[in-house]
Amino acid sequence: GAVVSQHPSWVICKSGTSVKIECRSLDFQATTMFWYRQFPKQSLMLMATSNEGSKATYEQGVEKDKFLINHASLTLSTLTVTSAHPEDSSFYICSASPGLAESYEQYFGPGTRLTVT
Amino acid sequence: ILNVEQSPQSLHVQEGDSTNFTCSFPSSNFYALHWYRWETAKSPEALFVMTLNGDEKKKGRISATLNTKEGYSYLYIKGSQPEDSATYLCAPGPLNSGGSNYKLTFGKGTLLTVNP
Repeated sequence: GAVVSQHPSWVICKSGTSVKIECRSLDFQATTMFWYRQFPKQSLMLMATSNEGSKATYEQGVEKDKFLINHASLTLSTLTVTSAHPEDSSFYICSASPGLAESYEQYFGPGTRLTVT
Repeated sequence: ILNVEQSPQSLHVQEGDSTNFTCSFPSSNFYALHWYRWETAKSPEALFVMTLNGDEKKKGRISATLNTKEGYSYLYIKGSQPEDSATYLCAPGPLNSGGSNYKLTFGKGTLLTVNP
C-alpha cells in the first residue's frame, strides 16, 4: 500500500517552454502533498505544500508564479514549471500524506528529472 | 531552516559486515525523526518514524535509535547484504505540527554500497 506515482520520470524541454509534472497517490487519499527539488549532491529541499482544494504554500525563495501547483483532487497534484530556464534543471519529487491524526508519514513518488536546454 | 547533518557521506562495506550511520539535528524534545531508504530510480521508502526520545525501532536487520535531547539518531544495519545498497536519508519534522504544517528537513544522505 501507500504507492505514489509521478509522471513523467524524465523530461527534456527547451528554454521558455512550460512543463507539467503529475503526482498521484494510487491507493490512498492524500490530504496534503509536498513538492521537493534536489540539486546534485544536495539534500531534498521543500518547495511547497499543497492541500486539496486550496492554494499551495510556498517556501521562502520559491517563486509561486514560476512553479504553479494545483491539488485539484485527493489523489492528484501537479507542478507546472513555467517559462523554464536551464537553471530550473533539477530533480523534482513529490510526497503525499494521508493526513491522519498523529500520523507523520509521507510517501514519495520516484521523482522527475527535468533538463532544460 | 534546520541544519541536518548525516555522516558519513558514503561508505563501502563487505557483505556480512555490520554498519551504522548518524543523523544530527538541533536538539529538541519536539521532533519526529524519519529514516528513508532510497534506491536508485525508485521512490524513497519509509523505514522508521520515531517520535519519542529514547525510541528504538527495528525492521529485520535494520534498527534505529533516537536521542532528541542531544540531537542525533543512529541507523544500524546488521549483516549487510548487497540489496541494502542505497542512500539512507534522515529527516526531522516538528512533532507539534500536523497536516500541511508538518515539514520535513532532509539531510544529504549516506550512500551505502555493500560489496558481495
